[in-house]
Amino acid sequence: NAGVTQTPKFQVLKTGQSMTLQCAQDMNHEYMSWYRQDPGMGLRLIHYSVGAGITDQGEVPNGYNVSRSTTEDFPLRLLSAAPSQTSVYFCASSYGQGGGYGYTFGSGTRLTVV
Amino acid sequence: GNSVTQMEGPVTLSEEAFLTINCTYTATGYPSLFWYVQYPGEGLQLLLKATKADDKGSNKGFEATYRKETTSFHLEKGSVQVSDSAVYFCAGGDDKIIFGKGTRLHILP
Repeated sequence: NAGVTQTPKFQVLKTGQSMTLQCAQDMNHEYMSWYRQDPGMGLRLIHYSVGAGITDQGEVPNGYNVSRSTTEDFPLRLLSAAPSQTSVYFCASSYGQGGGYGYTFGSGTRLTVV
Repeated sequence: GNSVTQMEGPVTLSEEAFLTINCTYTATGYPSLFWYVQYPGEGLQLLLKATKADDKGSNKGFEATYRKETTSFHLEKGSVQVSDSAVYFCAGGDDKIIFGKGTRLHILP
């Protein structure tokens, strides 16, 4: 059972480039979320999805897009990377309503924007 | 909006000491509450949770009780081990799960 798989694990981008962070889960979880983790800031919610075809904004959505065409996949798109988006990104999924059952997290993507 | 506030670290204790990490929440209604743990270089792992007032979550010797009257969910362990050294995050919510800033715990042998 793979759980939540994030790719790539590391990425360096130049300012203005675009890329997609991939997230896939094989647990048939309805709920998926993207967080970014910065020193001293904890985890901040970027976007979340309560099911296929439904997404909503979190605390810090600007500069990021998401879509949820299948239950399994929840990619995060950076449209035009900025140095402020240098961070560690975590994808998480949960069974049932919201994160009320507790999230399973991926191992993270460390992104550096230069 | 909802928010979670936890004590700032780092917290340094000797092995076998008693641990408390404070967490309070601000929310409309009564959200589910969680403690997650992050070991170096890894993602977060769910440590324990409580979904309603007076619930007690427990796991691996850690406990936390959902206190509605004080809007708190403090993490406790009676006797910590070196292997408990990690960063601990309090979190709360239903559809949107909001995290505290994390508390780094160092346990000295």
